[in-house]
Amino acid sequence: LAKTTQPISMDSYEGQEVNITCSHNNIATNDYITWYQQFPSQGPRFIIQGYKTKVTNEVASLFIPADRKSSTLSLPRVSLSDTAVYYCLVGDFLSGTYKYIFGTGTRLKVLA
Amino acid sequence: ETGVTQTPRHLVMGMTNKKSLKCEQHLGHNAMYWYKQSAKKPLELMFVYSLEERVENNSVPSRFSPECPNSSHLFLHLHTLQPEDSALYLCASSQLSAASYTFGSGTRLTVV
Repeated sequence: LAKTTQPISMDSYEGQEVNITCSHNNIATNDYITWYQQFPSQGPRFIIQGYKTKVTNEVASLFIPADRKSSTLSLPRVSLSDTAVYYCLVGDFLSGTYKYIFGTGTRLKVLA
Repeated sequence: ETGVTQTPRHLVMGMTNKKSLKCEQHLGHNAMYWYKQSAKKPLELMFVYSLEERVENNSVPSRFSPECPNSSHLFLHLHTLQPEDSALYLCASSQLSAASYTFGSGTRLTVV
């Protein structure tokens, strides 16, 4: 079973900021929180990753509270091309590598 | 191009055929993964290879047979498949102990 819970779908309008929250109540000490974006018939694409507090890159920001039981992906000023499925992942460390179990993700639809 | 190349992009095969999916990465990664994504379902982890050794086999039927001859190449050998095996098959790679994957674009498999 996936270790995360997130909303199944969200709608937004172009130019708005979108925040997608993910719950991971059983996160382990050595787990990182990673977000991926997936377009239809393509492989998921890495967006951002963090361990605690706030991480920002050219695409998004990731906010992680002190207890690390949730995280929020923030996409500033979305455009139509941001319509995709967004996955929040917390991995299981196995034999030197992280094993990711994907959940249903959040289907974001950006409207004109 | 993500650095992980999957071939072929599309494959149609009969239930009695034998075919192979190929994945190649030139990122210097040493862990590789196969995922299956059926229509309207989350990605399902099939196999994990760490340093060319299989470390995870998620109760996948024996008609799927993975092979990892070296750290840059991963194969998925297919035989006697069923129509319900039709899906997008995704390969990913990562550095050991790194919490982010790089995915390929996938092979769209149709079993007729």
